[in-house]
Amino acid sequence: AQSVTQLDSQVPVFEEAPVELRCNYSSSVSVYLFWYVQYPNQGLQLLLKYLSGSTLVESINGFEAEFNKSQTSFHLRKPSVHISDTAEYFCAVSEDNFNKFYFGSGTKLNVKP
Amino acid sequence: DGGITQSPKYLFRKEGQNVTLSCEQNLNHDAMYWYRQDPGQGLRLIYYSQIVNDFQKGDIAEGYSVSREKKESFPLTVTSAQKNPTAFYLCASKGGPDHYNEQFFGPGTRLTVL
Repeated sequence: AQSVTQLDSQVPVFEEAPVELRCNYSSSVSVYLFWYVQYPNQGLQLLLKYLSGSTLVESINGFEAEFNKSQTSFHLRKPSVHISDTAEYFCAVSEDNFNKFYFGSGTKLNVKP
Repeated sequence: DGGITQSPKYLFRKEGQNVTLSCEQNLNHDAMYWYRQDPGQGLRLIYYSQIVNDFQKGDIAEGYSVSREKKESFPLTVTSAQKNPTAFYLCASKGGPDHYNEQFFGPGTRLTVL
């Protein structure tokens, strides 16, 4: 079975600083990769996804993630964070059939003024 | 507006009682999912359903049951057999290839056992 690792449970960062949230997955078969964001006591919202094509994908609010097949990684980055980016971020992986999704344990991003 | 609704938002239960969490979607999605979220553990799959009248156990199905009698609805029952039911429960549905197989999540139900 697929496993997803988010090594950093918490990432504190100052406003306007860059940030990288790490995600690694286990399987080398064809995968589809997602980042979700969760604000307190809410459901998950899709931030960005990689299905095929360009390995660099971007969201509308300045986040980007790069699919690296050789390193089985899909790290999330933002060059300059805002207070409003404070939330928990989840990496998820689905395989060919899209029947099941595997989630990492989440990374809490805490942006300080 | 299309979306997923879960009710209630907060639920309190006494030990030994069964309780049912509601999940409804009007996105016309075939697939629906139930996840349990605990601090530091991410989301764990309880049950999922790819089509009406069919469902499969996920990774932590013990102590839970589901039904899928209608495409729009996928209720989850937390039974008294679930040893540690206090958690945040999330329902999701998934679009087909025309929606990039993307999962959409409801707002969640926080269950507390007293």
